[in-house]
Amino acid sequence: IAGITQAPTSQILAAGRRMTLRCTQDMRHNAMYWYRQDLGLGLRLIHYSNTAGTTGKGEVPDGYSVSRANTDDFPLTLASAVPSQTSVYFCASSGTAETEAFFGQGTRLTVV
Amino acid sequence: GENVEQHPSTLSVQEGDSAVIKCTYSDSASNYFPWYKQELGKRPQLIIDIRSNVGEKKDQRIAVTLNKTAKHFSLHITETQPEDSAVYFCAAKGNSGAGSYQLTFGKGTKLSVIP
Repeated sequence: IAGITQAPTSQILAAGRRMTLRCTQDMRHNAMYWYRQDLGLGLRLIHYSNTAGTTGKGEVPDGYSVSRANTDDFPLTLASAVPSQTSVYFCASSGTAETEAFFGQGTRLTVV
Repeated sequence: GENVEQHPSTLSVQEGDSAVIKCTYSDSASNYFPWYKQELGKRPQLIIDIRSNVGEKKDQRIAVTLNKTAKHFSLHITETQPEDSAVYFCAAKGNSGAGSYQLTFGKGTKLSVIP
C-alpha cells in the first residue's frame, strides 16, 4: 500500500442494507476524514478523526458512523442505507494541522 | 463550525487569460488554506496552500493571496492553458481545540479554458 486506499471503488446497494466503506493509509497520519461529494455541493465533511481513538462529527453526520481503532484505518459505516446516500465518498488523511490532506481514489456508492 | 464560501461556481476564460477564484471563511482561528484541483473522475489534489503567517505565495503560474483581517483568500492562475480546465476547491483548516483538524471545503469552481 502506498498512500491512502479506499475499498470498494464502486458499489450498488439495496436500500436498508448495511455497508462499510474501508479506508487505509500508510503515511502514519494522525488526522483522517470522510467526505461525500455531490454535484454542486462540493466536498461535505461527514466525520473526522484527529488521532486514533477519537472521532468527531462533521457537517453531514446523520446516517453514518465511524471508528478509529488504530492510526491506519478509518472505516465509514452506513447502518441502513437510503437513496439520499447515493454519492461519491472520499477518505482523506493529513499529518498535522497545517499540512496537506491526501485523498483516496473515492468510492462511488449507489443506493437503490 | 467553519463555513467556507467560494465564488464563482463556474468560470470560463480564453486560453492565455487569467482566472481568479475567491473564498471567504468564517472561523478566525483557521490558519491553513489549501487549494485543490479535481479533474473529472479523479480525486482532489493539492495545487497550492498558504498559512496564516503569510500574505501571498506563488508557484509558477499559480498564486494565492490571504487577507486574515477580512477572512478571505484567492487563487490566481495566469496564462491559463486548456489543461487547467477542472474543478477547483478552496478549503480552510482550523486550529482551535476539539475541531483543530476539521478541513472545510468551499463548493467548488468549474474552470473552463477555451482554446
